[in-house]
Amino acid sequence: AQSVTQLDSQVPVFEEAPVELRCNYSSSVSVYLFWYVQYPNQGLQLLLKYLSGSTLVKGINGFEAEFNKSQTSFHLRKPSVHISDTAEYFCAVSETGGYNKLIFGAGTRLAVHP
Amino acid sequence: DGGITQSPKYLFRKEGQNVTLSCEQNLNHDAMYWYRQDPGQGLRLIYYSQIVNDFQKGDIAEGYSVSREKKESFPLTVTSAQKNPTAFYLCASSVSGSQETQYFGPGTRLLVL
Repeated sequence: AQSVTQLDSQVPVFEEAPVELRCNYSSSVSVYLFWYVQYPNQGLQLLLKYLSGSTLVKGINGFEAEFNKSQTSFHLRKPSVHISDTAEYFCAVSETGGYNKLIFGAGTRLAVHP
Repeated sequence: DGGITQSPKYLFRKEGQNVTLSCEQNLNHDAMYWYRQDPGQGLRLIYYSQIVNDFQKGDIAEGYSVSREKKESFPLTVTSAQKNPTAFYLCASSVSGSQETQYFGPGTRLLVL
């Protein structure tokens, strides 16, 4: 079975500062990795995903994430955040070859302050 | 505009009442999903359907039921057996395959009177 741990429930940061949201996963099989963003009272939107190939994945809104197989991590980064990045961010995994069941972490609330 | 619609946005349930949440997609996706979101717990899978007229239980199916009579529709019924139904419910759809992106609706917030 897979599990996902997001190490920080809340991350406060000032506007234009860099940010890293941490995600670790556990799985006995190969997985695909996803980051989704949720703005208040809305559904989720895909930021980026890792399927194979280059371990550095670039997504929308200037976000990127790096897959580290040895550390079973998939941390999300942005070099300079904006007020509009304030949202909840979810890391998720799905088993390769499976039916697309996503296992989500508990989420990290990013609060960007002016 | 292609997308997923959920209705209503807010829903109130009385004690002992069944309520049905609507989910419709016009993305021509085969697979559809229902998730429950509680504060600090992420999303948990209730039911999923990979094809019309077929669906499977997820991790927290007790007290819920679904149907998939049409490709574009996947309604969720919260029955009176669900003792703690207050939550944010999210519907999603995707092309079949575990590498595929799931697309989410705007959600329905269910409150108990």
